[in-house]
Amino acid sequence: DAKTTQPTSMDCAEGRAANLPCNHSTISGNEYVYWYRQIHSQGPQYIIHGLKNNETNEMASLIITEDRKSSTLILPHATLRDTAVYYCIVRALYGGATNKLIFGTGTLLAVQP
Amino acid sequence: DTGVSQNPRHKITKRGQNVTFRCDPISEHNRLYWYRQTLGQGPEFLTYFQNEAQLEKSRLLSDRFSAERPKGSFSTLEIQRTEQGDSAMYLCASSLVVGTVRNQPQHFGDGTRLSIL
Repeated sequence: DAKTTQPTSMDCAEGRAANLPCNHSTISGNEYVYWYRQIHSQGPQYIIHGLKNNETNEMASLIITEDRKSSTLILPHATLRDTAVYYCIVRALYGGATNKLIFGTGTLLAVQP
Repeated sequence: DTGVSQNPRHKITKRGQNVTFRCDPISEHNRLYWYRQTLGQGPEFLTYFQNEAQLEKSRLLSDRFSAERPKGSFSTLEIQRTEQGDSAMYLCASSLVVGTVRNQPQHFGDGTRLSIL
């Protein structure tokens, strides 16, 4: 699986949009981009995933660059409950590597009141 | 709530004892995964099942670790002769894989936190 690079930490003001970047410059054509978050003492929570088109759901939007080498997770109106570690993961669609998620250390997003 | 359920949430035991954790996946999910997470790190893959078959094991899964999913529903993870280094959060996840569609996300439980005294 391709490696991802994320900032270690970010701050965001409550009510503002949180934009979390992820670099995956070695991503291959059959790899999806997944985002999870982990609130303290809980398991990782699935947020969103995409291949090449931008995606939106009730939690967030995922913007993937045209060359697919980077992406941004957008939380449109961050609340204090969005404070968590956010993980960007690339995962192959085919082959044995589809069987597991490879987590990095993620981005600690701190939403400030 | 019909998400992934893990029991117990916390387990404290003395070094050398055996421990067993249970995971109940989302009911229609045919794949079940175990991960381990230590402080400050992301989860690391241990093993996964497709129905009752254990199809992959990580090198992290030493001989003291064994996982089962006897009827393709719930799973257990047992650690024998626990060591200090086994202290971690043990996470279970499940997903549904149908045919060649493999992009469905894994959904996680809240884990079992193991502390070895």
